[in-house]
This record gives sequence, C-alpha cells and structure tokens, in this order.
Amino acid sequence: DAGVIQSPRHEVTEMGQEVTLRCKPISGHDYLFWYRQTMMRGLELLIYFNNNVPIDDSGMPEDRFSAKMPNASFSTLKIQPSEPRDSAVYFCASSSGFSRHGYTFGSGTRLTVV
Amino acid sequence: GENVEQHPSTLSVQEGDSAVIKCTYSDSASNYFPWYKQELGKRPQLIIDIRSNVGEKKDQRIAVTLNKTAKHFSLHITETQPEDSAVYFCAALRSGNTPLVFGKGTRLSVIA
Repeated sequence: DAGVIQSPRHEVTEMGQEVTLRCKPISGHDYLFWYRQTMMRGLELLIYFNNNVPIDDSGMPEDRFSAKMPNASFSTLKIQPSEPRDSAVYFCASSSGFSRHGYTFGSGTRLTVV
Repeated sequence: GENVEQHPSTLSVQEGDSAVIKCTYSDSASNYFPWYKQELGKRPQLIIDIRSNVGEKKDQRIAVTLNKTAKHFSLHITETQPEDSAVYFCAALRSGNTPLVFGKGTRLSVIA
C-alpha cells in the first residue's frame, strides 16, 4: 500500500484565494482525520469522518473551512477565503477502527498564505 | 473530554545517554496510548503503543510504561543516537467513538 497520500506537498497562495487540500486514505481504512499543525498549538484535530460521514467538525476553526469525503478513497479540505493565519502544515490521517491501531499520517501539505 | 499533558517540551541529551518523556491524561476511560516520532519536515510515525491491560512494553531501545492509577505514561529511549533527534508526541484514546488526543510534543535533540 502506498500509505496515505496528500496533495499538494506545498501550497503558496495569496490572502483571499480558495485553497483545496486533497487526501487519499489507505484502502480499507474506515476513519479519516484532518489535522493542522503549528508551533503554537501542536496537532489540532479539525474534523474526522467514519465511512465517509463527517462525525465531528467541532475543531474546524471557522466557516471558511469545509471538508468533504465523497467516497472511501478521497477527501478534501477547503479554505475559502484563505488568510495568513491559516498558514500551517495540514495532515490527513486514516485508521482502521479507533482502538485497534494507531493512525497513519500522510506527508502533509505545507500551506503558506501571503 | 480527554486532555493530555506532555513534558518536557524540549530535551537535550548526550549521545549514548537515556531520554525520558512523560505524559499525563485526564480520562480514566482511556485505554490506548501510542507514541509518534516526527522528524523534521516529515510526517508523524507510530513508533510504539501500549494498551491499558499492559504495564510496560519494549521494542529494542525504546520502551513505554503505563501507570493507570496515576494516569501517566512515559517513553524511554536508551543509548540515544543522533537519528533519535525528532519531535515525539504522546496520545491517548478512549474506547468508543472518540479520536486520539495528542500531547503538544517534545523536541528531543541528541548531541553527538
């Protein structure tokens, strides 16, 4: 398995632009998580899905953030409009069940909003 | 909800010495405790985990201990090497439909 695949690896965008981050989880994993990592806050859980259904989006910072999972092999995190304070590394992770195994993280997307 | 505290935030050790990172959790129902290692510019990767029915687990130079009564768990790295330099995250999970809660991380530097 190629693991959790995220794209793009790096994204530089201007304030106000729409940004879409993409994630392909490991085949067969039924949970998908979106995390944001910053120096100040560490790893923050934004939203997670179970069998493509959003379960908890309480970590999404604002209405500017939205996430979808149209099928078991693809998820997107969208920021519209983007702001400089959104600059961070965004990780997608997947797992098979909650407590049987740890999460497998993707390589992350480093987002810079200028 | 669960809250995980991790200490220290930074740790420097001489090569060959041991390193210990400690975490405490708040929810007594938590029963799974993984540790992740994140090298600079890379993804967090699971290095070891422990479940609440076990008090200690070892894998070569790394070990994790769990004290359920005190609600704390620790990562021990012996004979540290420069390639152990990374950020280490502890996490706790409560059985049921709740996700992992991560500590803030410890930046370990192994000085050659």
